Amino acid sequence: EVQLVESGGGLVQPGRSLRLSCAASGFTFDDYAMHWVRQAPGKGLEWVSGISWNSGSIGYADSVKGRFTISRDNAKNSLYLQMNSLRAEDTALYYCAKDRQQWLRYYFDYWGQGTLVTVSS
Amino acid sequence: QSALTQPASVSGSPGQSITISCTGTSSDVGSYNLVSWYQQHPGKAPKLMIYEVSKRPSGVSNRFSGSKSGNTASLTISGLQAEDEADYYCCSYAGSKGVFGGGTKLTVL
Repeated sequence: EVQLVESGGGLVQPGRSLRLSCAASGFTFDDYAMHWVRQAPGKGLEWVSGISWNSGSIGYADSVKGRFTISRDNAKNSLYLQMNSLRAEDTALYYCAKDRQQWLRYYFDYWGQGTLVTVSS
Repeated sequence: QSALTQPASVSGSPGQSITISCTGTSSDVGSYNLVSWYQQHPGKAPKLMIYEVSKRPSGVSNRFSGSKSGNTASLTISGLQAEDEADYYCCSYAGSKGVFGGGTKLTVL
C-alpha cells in the first residue's frame, strides 16, 4: 500500500524558515517524480514544486521561486521542501504527492494527508 | 503562471450528466495532452480521476470521462450519484510548471 506521510509543519513567524519532510513507502520511490501541492484554508489547490526521479528536473511555482527548495533522498525514500522567507500567504496545508511518471508530468496519483503551515506573528 | 479557468459551481440531479470545463492557453492545455482531473471531498486529500486528458486510473468509475478541444479540457460525469458531490480541479502541464484550475463545486440536487 502506497503511503505518503508529511511532517514538519507548524506555526512560524514571517521571514523565518521551515523544512517539510515526506516519508514514502509502498512503492519504488526512485522510479517516480514527486511534488508538493498546497491548499490555503478554504481555497483551491496550488502546485508548489516538483522534482524528477533523479533530481535532474526541478520546477517551482512563480510564487515560491527563489524562496523554496525541493530535494529528495532516494536512499531514505524521502522528499523535502525547504521554505525560507516565509510570508503570510504561504499559510496552507502542504501535500506531498506522487507523480505517475519518472519525469514531471503533474499526474498526482497518490497524496499524503498534508501538514499545516501557519505563518503569523 | 495563471490558474486555469473553471466554473465556480455546477449542479445536477441524480442520474443526469454534467460537464465541467477547464480553460487554459496555448502554453498549457492547448499545447499538451497532459491534463488531469481531481476530486476532493471536504477534509480529504484529492483523488486522481483522469490523466492524459481522457485516461482513467484503475478503480475510477467509467462514469467519469475527459476530453479536450483547443485550449479547453472537460470532465463529464454521467449517471450522477450523491457521492459525486465534491470539489473538482483540473491541472495541466505548463512546461516546467504545473497549473491548477480554481476548482468547481459540484452539487447533486
